[in-house]
Amino acid sequence: KAGVTQTPRYLIKTRGQQVTLSCSPISGHRSVSWYQQTPGQGLQFLFEYFSETQRNKGNFPGRFSGRQFSNSRSEMNVSTLELGDSALYLCASSLVGQGNSYTFGSGTRLTVV
Amino acid sequence: GESVGLHLPTLSVQEGDNSIINCAYSNSASDYFIWYKQESGKGPQFIIDIRSNMDKRQGQRVTVLLNKTVKHLSLQIAATQPGDSAVYFCAENAGGTSYGKLTFGQGTILTVHP
Repeated sequence: KAGVTQTPRYLIKTRGQQVTLSCSPISGHRSVSWYQQTPGQGLQFLFEYFSETQRNKGNFPGRFSGRQFSNSRSEMNVSTLELGDSALYLCASSLVGQGNSYTFGSGTRLTVV
Repeated sequence: GESVGLHLPTLSVQEGDNSIINCAYSNSASDYFIWYKQESGKGPQFIIDIRSNMDKRQGQRVTVLLNKTVKHLSLQIAATQPGDSAVYFCAENAGGTSYGKLTFGQGTILTVHP
């Protein structure tokens, strides 16, 4: 059974650019959550989608956005990149979104220069 | 200004010892508590969870203890092996409409020496 797949694994972008990260959940999973992991702040929740609807959002600026498609695949977008956006972005999926049931992908390492 | 990096607690043990990793959580309304293991270059991997109406749960070589009075969670690993070396995170979820929202602790680095 394939796990959560995130692409690309590594990304280097310049300040001011925008970036789109992709997440394919485990087959049949309808809930997708996104997290940002940095040495300074640890793991922080960005948002959660279920059946194409955002149900929960963390405390991040509006530059961070996401969406979910009808096949449950999800993307997150960061516009006007800042140096501080350099992080490991993790996606996790769950069948229905119950708090203890998430499986994480290996993440996308974003470096902003 | 410059952000200060988290200084993660560390635990160093010998192979075969038992390990205990502790975590203080913040939300007394949390319903689920989960322990994750994160190895270098990978995402967090589920180890074990416990609901708020329990105080102990056992898995294979792992036990989680929950003390709601002092908002404390611990993970015990029996007969620790070098493959257990990783960063361990506790996480909490409030249940209900807190879909997908896990609040993570800062993490503990476990190093197992052969």
